[in-house]
Amino acid sequence: EMVMTQSPATLSVSPGERATLSCRASQGVGTNLAWYQQKPGQAPRLLIYGASTRASGIPARFSGSGSGTEFTLTISSLQSEDFVVYYCQQYNNWPPRFGPGTKVDVK
Amino acid sequence: QVQLVQSGAEVKKPGASVKVSCKASGYTFTHYAIYWVRQAPGQGLEWMGWINVGNGETKYSQRFQGRVTITGDTSASIVYMELSSLRSEDTAVYYCARGPVTKGLSYWGQGTLVTVSS
Repeated sequence: EMVMTQSPATLSVSPGERATLSCRASQGVGTNLAWYQQKPGQAPRLLIYGASTRASGIPARFSGSGSGTEFTLTISSLQSEDFVVYYCQQYNNWPPRFGPGTKVDVK
Repeated sequence: QVQLVQSGAEVKKPGASVKVSCKASGYTFTHYAIYWVRQAPGQGLEWMGWINVGNGETKYSQRFQGRVTITGDTSASIVYMELSSLRSEDTAVYYCARGPVTKGLSYWGQGTLVTVSS
């Protein structure tokens, strides 16, 4: 059974700094991975699909990389609205599981 | 513009069933699958299942097999998710989202809070 893990669980970063979030799949998923951002009380928002393709309207400060089992979401310069929760999700196998999430908070 | 509008909050007793609707607009309804995801309070996102509204094919997460049924009404552009034998652990916000999942889920409903309490 596919298991998705994300690290760290909480990432403390100062505004304007870079944030690097990790996602690991227990089995290879190629580049069939997406990243979502979720603000409190809102539905998730798609940031990245295909491991590295930014979704429509997503700012260039968000970038994704990786393939196989190791993936990274990088936020190049954190803005105030970026201090929320991020989830990765694989869609190579059914069910297309989400990771447990990484919360980015203000250092 | 693409919109997914879900039905309102529900309060149910343990053992009951709940049926949540997701009305789609702004695109050709039968061209895209609809997925259901839930989120318990303070927890992460959990897949429940999906429906190919074009041909009615469904697939469910094994965790909900036997308790969840997803159906579609193409005449009204609505997808329904019914969860039976509710227990307190089913208290969550239930979301519908539009596929294809291979391009990520770009469109989401606003969520429906289902509270299971005696």
